[in-house]
Amino acid sequence: AQSVTQLDSQVPVFEEAPVELRCNYSSSVSVYLFWYVQYPNQGLQLLLKYLSGSTLVKGINGFEAEFNKSQTSFHLRKPSVHISDTAEYFCAVSVAGGGNKLTFGTGTQLKVEL
Amino acid sequence: NAGVMQNPRHLVRRRGQEARLRCSPMKGHSHVYWYRQLPEEGLKFMVYLQKENIIDESGMPKERFSAEFPKEGPSILRIQQVVRGDSAAYFCASSPSEGGWETQYFGPGTRLLVL
Repeated sequence: AQSVTQLDSQVPVFEEAPVELRCNYSSSVSVYLFWYVQYPNQGLQLLLKYLSGSTLVKGINGFEAEFNKSQTSFHLRKPSVHISDTAEYFCAVSVAGGGNKLTFGTGTQLKVEL
Repeated sequence: NAGVMQNPRHLVRRRGQEARLRCSPMKGHSHVYWYRQLPEEGLKFMVYLQKENIIDESGMPKERFSAEFPKEGPSILRIQQVVRGDSAAYFCASSPSEGGWETQYFGPGTRLLVL
């Protein structure tokens, strides 16, 4: 079975500062990797996903993530955050060839302060 | 193009009552997934359905929970004889086809409160 670990439950950061949200996964088979964002009282919105190919993936709102197979990581980064980036961020995996269900991490609350 | 729709957005039930949660997938999507988000936790997969078929229900509690996706109409997640531990946000997602690479599009969720 696969699992996802997001070690940081909360990340405070000042506006215009860079941020990295960490995600590590565990799986005995190949996986697809996703980052979703959840604004208060809303559903999840896809930021980006890694399927194959280039390990650096660019997403919406200036976010990017890098797949590192040897470290089984898929960290999310943004060079300069904005107040509007305040939200909960979830890393998720699905198993290649193993159905569609997503396995989520517990989420990281990003709080951007002035 | 309307997104995934869920209703009601908020639902209050007393212990022992039934809860019915509805999900209309995006137009053209025939694959529906239900997830539950407990307070301070991530989303947990419950069930995956295609029209008239349950494909994977490995995350569904064995009792009191059921799901359907009829040929016509929305997908329904039904919880019988609710208990306080069922209080959570329930999210529905849809995708256009089967495949782990597919993006799942999420609805706004139904927040169930059991008194």
